[in-house]
Amino acid sequence: DVHLVESGGGLVQPGGSLRLSCAASGFTFRSYEMNWVRLAPGKGLEWLAYISRSATTIYYADSVKGRFTISRDNAENSLYLQMNSLRAEDTAVYFCARDRGLGGNSRYFDSWGQGALVTVSS
Amino acid sequence: DIQMTQSPSSLSASVGDRVTITCRAGQSISSSLNWYQHKPGQAPKLLIFSASTLPSGVPSRFSGGGSGTDFTLTISGLQPEDSATYYCQQTYTTLATFGQGTKVEIK
Repeated sequence: DVHLVESGGGLVQPGGSLRLSCAASGFTFRSYEMNWVRLAPGKGLEWLAYISRSATTIYYADSVKGRFTISRDNAENSLYLQMNSLRAEDTAVYFCARDRGLGGNSRYFDSWGQGALVTVSS
Repeated sequence: DIQMTQSPSSLSASVGDRVTITCRAGQSISSSLNWYQHKPGQAPKLLIFSASTLPSGVPSRFSGGGSGTDFTLTISGLQPEDSATYYCQQTYTTLATFGQGTKVEIK
């Protein structure tokens, strides 16, 4: 079975940093592109970042570009999200999601973790 | 970024009802449209991909349609376990934007 487990969430002050991890198991991690998505209180799902299988291609949503960094360690089957300059509006549950590309523009997120809560508050 | 607009934002329906949620893209996205179901405290679940394809294990009462800019998710015969928030997502671009969600409640 595919398993994705996020960790590293917690309470951080505005302007602070936090690093989320996503441990993958049950599949060949290096063969899949990955994403981070968040769900803020009272808001909808927001896609944040994408990383290709070898980390050569990375994309970010405008809301986090320049503050967040996505990375991966295929030897450790792990995905990361380094979050700097955190703001109150970054308070959310953060999910990692496996990207299943079928070719062309056909792709979807077929497996998700349970999420890690990040609270940004003084 | 491609904007995705869902309607309604919430709805309340009875068990057995037929429910339809719509999703409109800000530009044509062909059939690069997915639907997810999310219940509080759980991982989001893929319901439909490529506008109309059900993954294995998704009940057949869920169906999707549309192409270009206008899409629908239909639940034919609403069940109590369908109480959740539903999101559309475009993957026409790598910046895979979601709709704002539709909360479905059971009367």
